[in-house]
Amino acid sequence: SQTIHQWPATLVQPVGSPLSLECTVEGTSNPNLYWYRQAAGRGLQLLFYSVGIGQISSEVPQNLSASRPQDRQFILSSKKLLLSDSGFYLCAWSDLRVLNTEAFFGQGTRLTVV
Amino acid sequence: RKEVEQDPGPFNVPEGATVAFNCTYSNSASQSFFWYRQDCRKEPKLLMSVYSSGNEDGRFTAQLNRASQYISLLIRDSKLSDSATYLCVVNDRGSTLGRLYFGRGTQLTVWP
Repeated sequence: SQTIHQWPATLVQPVGSPLSLECTVEGTSNPNLYWYRQAAGRGLQLLFYSVGIGQISSEVPQNLSASRPQDRQFILSSKKLLLSDSGFYLCAWSDLRVLNTEAFFGQGTRLTVV
Repeated sequence: RKEVEQDPGPFNVPEGATVAFNCTYSNSASQSFFWYRQDCRKEPKLLMSVYSSGNEDGRFTAQLNRASQYISLLIRDSKLSDSATYLCVVNDRGSTLGRLYFGRGTQLTVWP
């Protein structure tokens, strides 16, 4: 069966510090990978998605970047965090080979920038 | 205009009540539809897919109206454990990226 791992679960970082969140998927190959952010009391905002190694598309301009160095690894990064980067970050994957596929989420990282 | 819009909520209902959520989507070419459930401070999890003919899973019934571009979720005989935020999700037709659009969610609280 497929599983998705995301870490760390919680993170408190000072303004201006770097960020690296990692997500890995097991049990499937060539998944679509996504990074979402959910601010307090807000909906899910798609930040990045990837259809393959090294292929990253950004949904919104921001202080963050993403990379996919391996087929089942997706990394969210920032060189200098802003207070507005606080939120709940969720990695997800889907398999477009499955008709009407849904997305499966990691357990999320709650980031607080102080 | 947002891709997916939901009832703002919150909904506060007693145990045993029937509650319905509605959701509208803007892209008439959308192909796949889902309801997700998100518990407080947790990741969203698929509750059920929504099919054109409507579908039922125990106390939950989902319906799709393509002509009016809305999706509904009906929960019968509400339980305390149904308290959560319910997200309406739409997948664009023909999108090779599997782009999912999420509504902001409707919060449900079931009280004893």
